[in-house]
Amino acid sequence: EPEVTQTPSHQVTQMGQEVILRCVPISNHLYFYWYRQILGQKVEFLVSFYNNEISEKSEIFDDQFSVERPDGSNFTLKIRSTKLEDSAMYFCASKLAANNEQFFGPGTRLTVL
Amino acid sequence: GNSVTQMEGPVTLSEEAFLTINCTYTATGYPSLFWYVQYPGEGLQLLLKATKADDKGSNKGFEATYRKETTSFHLEKGSVQVSDSAVYFCALRAAAGNKLTFGGGTRVLVKP
Repeated sequence: EPEVTQTPSHQVTQMGQEVILRCVPISNHLYFYWYRQILGQKVEFLVSFYNNEISEKSEIFDDQFSVERPDGSNFTLKIRSTKLEDSAMYFCASKLAANNEQFFGPGTRLTVL
Repeated sequence: GNSVTQMEGPVTLSEEAFLTINCTYTATGYPSLFWYVQYPGEGLQLLLKATKADDKGSNKGFEATYRKETTSFHLEKGSVQVSDSAVYFCALRAAAGNKLTFGGGTRVLVKP
């Protein structure tokens, strides 16, 4: 069964460093998402991406964040200069069409020291 | 804005007990409602969904009914198993929207 994959499973970085979180969505899916969950808090929407552009983003998704689909298979989330408060589990999701369900990856745990 | 509130956990049960996890929502229009489950070390998996009022979603013995009059989507299972131990998330997708809005998650622990 096709699944969304994410790498790495755990990333540790120093404050101020850039990180890139990688996701491989299900191959024929067209809509892509990033969510995050700070420990003990809700899963929060960050950004959605469709047709090679951002379709919606939350207030969390400021200038420090960017997304890219560089090669038709990967979908990446970049944080330019990490802060302590960026420590969270980051989930990637994809779906085939507008009214279909979203399929989630296992997440990347980001720890900013 | 849209929001989802679900009961806090952890919920600890014995095997074969009845499980209820309450979920209420605030949204404009007619959202679609979902329950996702996260097993240890895994991603979020869709458990069930309902897209309009009075719809009942069901899967793996779990059920939830979309109640517009009480803005609720409570999850129930009549007889839980140890393998049901997980974190359960209630979520909505606004009628005109795309993103999911999640509740805080409820950890369920089923003991043999």
